Amino acid sequence: DVQMTQSPSYLAASPGESVSISCKASKSINTYLAWYQEKPGKTNKLLIYSGSTLQSGTPSRFSGSGSGTDFTLTIRSLEPEDFAVYYCQQHNEYPLTFGSGTKLEIK
Amino acid sequence: QVKLLQSGAALVKPGDSVKMSCKASGYTFTDYIIHWVKQSHGKSLEWIGYINPYSGGTNYNEKFKSKATLTVDKSSSTAYMEFSRLTSEDSAIYYCARDNSWGQGTLVTVSS
Repeated sequence: DVQMTQSPSYLAASPGESVSISCKASKSINTYLAWYQEKPGKTNKLLIYSGSTLQSGTPSRFSGSGSGTDFTLTIRSLEPEDFAVYYCQQHNEYPLTFGSGTKLEIK
Repeated sequence: QVKLLQSGAALVKPGDSVKMSCKASGYTFTDYIIHWVKQSHGKSLEWIGYINPYSGGTNYNEKFKSKATLTVDKSSSTAYMEFSRLTSEDSAIYYCARDNSWGQGTLVTVSS
């Protein structure tokens, strides 16, 4: 199985700042990486798939980059609604596997 | 819009089975595979498997092959997952998901 190592596990930032979250795969997954957002009381939201393709409805302040084994989610100019938990997930092969999550909190 | 509505929380005894549902709406049910994902308390997500509602074909994570059974009822656009021989390790939230939509989750608590 492909192991996904996500970091940091916790991140504190202020609205308006930019943050980056890293996700590393134990072997090449080409560009088949998705990012999800988890918020209390809401269903999980797909933000980005195939490494850098924004899902319809995802604000442009979100961006994804990377290929092979190293990927990054960047959120520019944080809005209050962005404080949540973020997961990466590889969709290159089965079984699908997820990172351990990053909790983004307001500083 | 696409909606996946899952069944309510369940409290079950060790050794029992639980069957949960995921009712789809807002799209053609047979056009998209349905995935099932486990989230243990305070932990990350584990992919259990998927079912193709059109063919009934399934693909399971080896870890859950003897534990989970995925089925669908096309007439009601509903996917089901049955989890058997439950232990405390199976206490978790279980999600169904399509490619870009998730259900709200079903909390399963295993306790005597």
